[in-house]
Amino acid sequence: SQQGEEDPQALSIQEGENATMNCSYKTSINNLQWYRQNSGRGLVHLILIRSNEREKHSGRLRVTLDTSKKSSSLLITASRAADTASYFCATDEGSGNTPLVFGKGTRLSVIA
Amino acid sequence: DGGITQSPKYLFRKEGQNVTLSCEQNLNHDAMYWYRQDPGQGLRLIYYSQIVNDFQKGDIAEGYSVSREKKESFPLTVTSAQKNPTAFYLCASSIQGPDTQYFGPGTRLTVL
Repeated sequence: SQQGEEDPQALSIQEGENATMNCSYKTSINNLQWYRQNSGRGLVHLILIRSNEREKHSGRLRVTLDTSKKSSSLLITASRAADTASYFCATDEGSGNTPLVFGKGTRLSVIA
Repeated sequence: DGGITQSPKYLFRKEGQNVTLSCEQNLNHDAMYWYRQDPGQGLRLIYYSQIVNDFQKGDIAEGYSVSREKKESFPLTVTSAQKNPTAFYLCASSIQGPDTQYFGPGTRLTVL
């Protein structure tokens, strides 16, 4: 089952620019998480936003959540070449003890 | 040094052979997961376990088997019934089902 869908599938920007990735989901959620994956590595948790939160910051990351539109965005400000990675959103399904459902990811390339 | 480990990093298999991928965690997490990732794609859930001696099929369980005899360990066997096993396999754990997941470094399986 696929809950989150990221958009765009791929994004290429210059170093110093901001990168914005979007995630849409289908059912109600308790929280939404963003993960990062460097090529050939495991995923690393970046940030979690709860359904009663609208915006959250962590360093150069800014996450927004709009539950009425069932969407979230991840903004990376002042991007660096080291930000090059794939970014995935993950959602719970709002009830029970079921696993997170991951989207297909956005591949971000930051060109120095 | 807490974390989740996978071995081996690279694995080669001849057609018709079963192989077992190892996943160990010392985070005292109840839940563990196995995902498959194909090039440029997202994660697909193979199996998950919420508690010792219990596990459930994910979206693509056919051709795979698991066991959960100890809280720390969740090995995945790729059987000869899996027709296209070449992929990157990721193991993860979490406190419970919808909580933040912690990933291992992955095992890349190639069928020769």
